[in-house]
Amino acid sequence: AQKVTQAQTEISVVEKEDVTLDCVYETRDTTYYLFWYKQPPSGELVFLIRRNSFDEQNEISGRYSWNFQKSTSSFNFTITASQVVDSAVYFCALSVYGGYQKVTFGTGTKLQVIP
Amino acid sequence: ETGVTQTPRHLVMGMTNKKSLKCEQHLGHNAMYWYKQSAKKPLELMFVYNFKEQTENNSVPSRFSPECPNSSHLFLHLHTLQPEDSALYLCASSQETTSGTDTQYFGPGTRLTVL
Repeated sequence: AQKVTQAQTEISVVEKEDVTLDCVYETRDTTYYLFWYKQPPSGELVFLIRRNSFDEQNEISGRYSWNFQKSTSSFNFTITASQVVDSAVYFCALSVYGGYQKVTFGTGTKLQVIP
Repeated sequence: ETGVTQTPRHLVMGMTNKKSLKCEQHLGHNAMYWYKQSAKKPLELMFVYNFKEQTENNSVPSRFSPECPNSSHLFLHLHTLQPEDSALYLCASSQETTSGTDTQYFGPGTRLTVL
């Protein structure tokens, strides 16, 4: 069975601070995909990134960066110089193939950026 | 319209009512999904359709009845719901669901309240 743990339920930071959202996953599959989604108050989950289990290169996209470490089964997400618009709930997810694409989501981390 | 749309955005219904949620994707995808998002709980996968065929019913009560007339449209028919069914219902789509690799794109959700 797959499991995704986001231990941080809520985080508050002051605007322009850096913040890291933690994600730890469990799976016995050797091939899997990891995702991060953002859910603003409007409700829609917005896709941010997908990473496969064979690619441990870190990725940077503007103020966003992701650190994938198979040794610790972690896929952490860092926002640099946070902005009020970053306030949302962020979900980490794990996808494996189980007859169909089976995606397991974490419980989410609510980020509040205070101006 | 682009992406994944859902109507209505908000729905209040009594336990004896019958209503339907609609989802439409404009991404040319072949797989569609219904998820339930309740407070303080991870996203729960309800149904999966691939090329209009239902490939997964994740032990969902029969008071929820999905319908997928084509690859672009997905409905969730509701009848005799319970107050605990109040939640955000999210629709998602992906290119297909047989490889376990595809990214799911989500709609804005329908906020359902059962009185």
